[in-house]
Amino acid sequence: DAKTTQPPSMDCAEGRAANLPCNHSTISGNEYVYWYRQIHSQGPQYIIHGLKNNETNEMASLIITEDRKSSTLILPHATLRDTAVYYCIVGSPGTYKYIFGTGTRLKVLA
Amino acid sequence: NAGVTQTPKFQVLKTGQSMTLQCAQDMNHNSMYWYRQDPGMGLRLIYYSASEGTTDKGEVPNGYNVSRLNKREFSLRLESAAPSQTSVYFCASIRGGSEAFFGQGTRLTVV
Repeated sequence: DAKTTQPPSMDCAEGRAANLPCNHSTISGNEYVYWYRQIHSQGPQYIIHGLKNNETNEMASLIITEDRKSSTLILPHATLRDTAVYYCIVGSPGTYKYIFGTGTRLKVLA
Repeated sequence: NAGVTQTPKFQVLKTGQSMTLQCAQDMNHNSMYWYRQDPGMGLRLIYYSASEGTTDKGEVPNGYNVSRLNKREFSLRLESAAPSQTSVYFCASIRGGSEAFFGQGTRLTVV
């Protein structure tokens, strides 16, 4: 199973872009990169996922490096409500095994 | 749509007692999952079911059993609860390799 490495914590000023990195150097060719966030003790919430192309939706953008060994989640205009723990995971629809790491605790500062 | 529903939301058990955590989803998803989250930690995969009729061990399966009762329901059973199983338990279902939907969790305390 591919493992991910994320910084334990980050701060971001409100209104600025939050860039959250993730290292997944052992990712295999058919594994996707998924991002989730968890606010307080609620169930994690899906944000975005991608295979090798950059992806954007109404919540965030996902930038995956060409070698696919790392990715960055971008929250373009962070708000206080984006304060949460962000998890980067890799997984394949074929294996079904989705392993969460320890995540990055993002604090958005007023 | 209710999404993923977990019952109960809270439970206190005595050491050695047994209980079953229930999970149901109404999104017609094939894959379902059980995770546990200890205080200040990330989620750890206990068991998963890729499809109805199949179950597989995750990272931390010891002390637990699961049943995929039908496509909607995936239960987690603690046969003899231990204090080390005090945790928040999350159930999730996944739409074919896309996004996972999580329940709101069951907060279990074993005394």
